[in-house]
Amino acid sequence: AQKITQTQPGMFVQEKEAVTLDCTYDTSDQSYGLFWYKQPSSGEMIFLIYQGSYDEQNATEGRYSLNFQKARKSANLVISASQLGDSAMYFCAMRGSYNTDKLIFGTGTRLQVFP
Amino acid sequence: DAGVIQSPRHEVTEMGQEVTLRCKPISGHDYLFWYRQTMMRGLELLIYFNNNVPIDDSGMPEDRFSAKMPNASFSTLKIQPSEPRDSAVYFCASSLGTATNEKLFFGSGTQLSVL
Repeated sequence: AQKITQTQPGMFVQEKEAVTLDCTYDTSDQSYGLFWYKQPSSGEMIFLIYQGSYDEQNATEGRYSLNFQKARKSANLVISASQLGDSAMYFCAMRGSYNTDKLIFGTGTRLQVFP
Repeated sequence: DAGVIQSPRHEVTEMGQEVTLRCKPISGHDYLFWYRQTMMRGLELLIYFNNNVPIDDSGMPEDRFSAKMPNASFSTLKIQPSEPRDSAVYFCASSLGTATNEKLFFGSGTQLSVL
């Protein structure tokens, strides 16, 4: 069975600082994809970044980067230079190669950025 | 493209009433997913369609829930009769395919409150 674990229910960070949101996963698939989504208070789900299990380099998208450690089965999201608008829920998700249809989500981490 | 369109954004109804949620996926996307989000259970996959055909409805909580996709551009999720425990945010999402790198595009969600 596939599982995503986000152990931080909430995180605080000061504006302009970097923050790491943790995500660990469990799968027996050799090929899989890892995703991060942002859900601001307005409620929509916004795709942030993707990492493939065979990608040799960590994914980056602007201020977002993914610290992928395959042996540890972790895919932490790093947000650099935090902004007030980064305050939101963040969800880690995974799609495996055996049962690719389903995107499985973690429970999320609520990030609050303060001035 | 306009993205995934859901309606209504908010629905307030009384216990026992029928509720119909609507979704228009992104044109050309072959897969459509219905998710439910609650504080207690997070994001749960209810059902998904491939080329308008329901593939897996194992996440549908009970017979009161039904979903249809009569054509490639429209899907409904119906709850009859509704109960207070059905109160949640219901998301529709679509994707081109289900490769491991295929991300989901979400609608804005429907906030359902059953009184």
